[in-house]
Amino acid sequence: GDSVTQMEGPVTLSEEACLTINCTYTATGYPSLFWYVQYPGEGLQLLLKATKADDKGSNKGFEATYRKETTSFHLEKGSVQVSDSAVYFCALGRFGNEKLTFGTGTRLTIIP
Amino acid sequence: EAGVVQSPRYKIIEKKQPVAFWCNPISGHNTLYWYLQNLGQGPELLIRYENEEAVDDSQLPKDRFSAERLKGVDSTLKIQPAELGDSAVYLCASSGTGELFFGEGSRLTVL
Repeated sequence: GDSVTQMEGPVTLSEEACLTINCTYTATGYPSLFWYVQYPGEGLQLLLKATKADDKGSNKGFEATYRKETTSFHLEKGSVQVSDSAVYFCALGRFGNEKLTFGTGTRLTIIP
Repeated sequence: EAGVVQSPRYKIIEKKQPVAFWCNPISGHNTLYWYLQNLGQGPELLIRYENEEAVDDSQLPKDRFSAERLKGVDSTLKIQPAELGDSAVYLCASSGTGELFFGEGSRLTVL
């Protein structure tokens, strides 16, 4: 079945550092890939997505590229801010949103 | 525009007691989801509704869990009786034709 393996946390970085959170998946066919973020005290919200191989999703300075050859969807940001502190979830979707499989989440803390 | 509203935010009960969670999706969203999130884990789908019809309930433990979505709007998820292992966050989400929008979740603690 489908599965998502996500870099374990917690991850602590200084402000303006570079960020990479690794995500790999196991699935047949051509799923869609997502990154969701959960800020403290808030619900999960979609950060970015990619629906086919080589697509790059981007939002709020974050980027992730759908790499079918390595079955990966790593989240990157060139310069993190304190406001980026949150839990990040990688997810795989079938038929769009109908069936999402989530990774275990990575807690990111940015220190001023 | 109001987001997905869930209540209660927190609930503490003793084992074998019943508990119910309520979800009001975003207006106009036909699809409603209930997810279970255990501590340190990602959310797992329990049930998906298209309007009032449960189209995917394969992961719902039907011996103790039940859900309904009367009139295709609000939804209720019930556990009866609750067990210690049911302690988790229960997330509701809704979607129209695209992105899923999640509520803040209902955190259940079973003592």
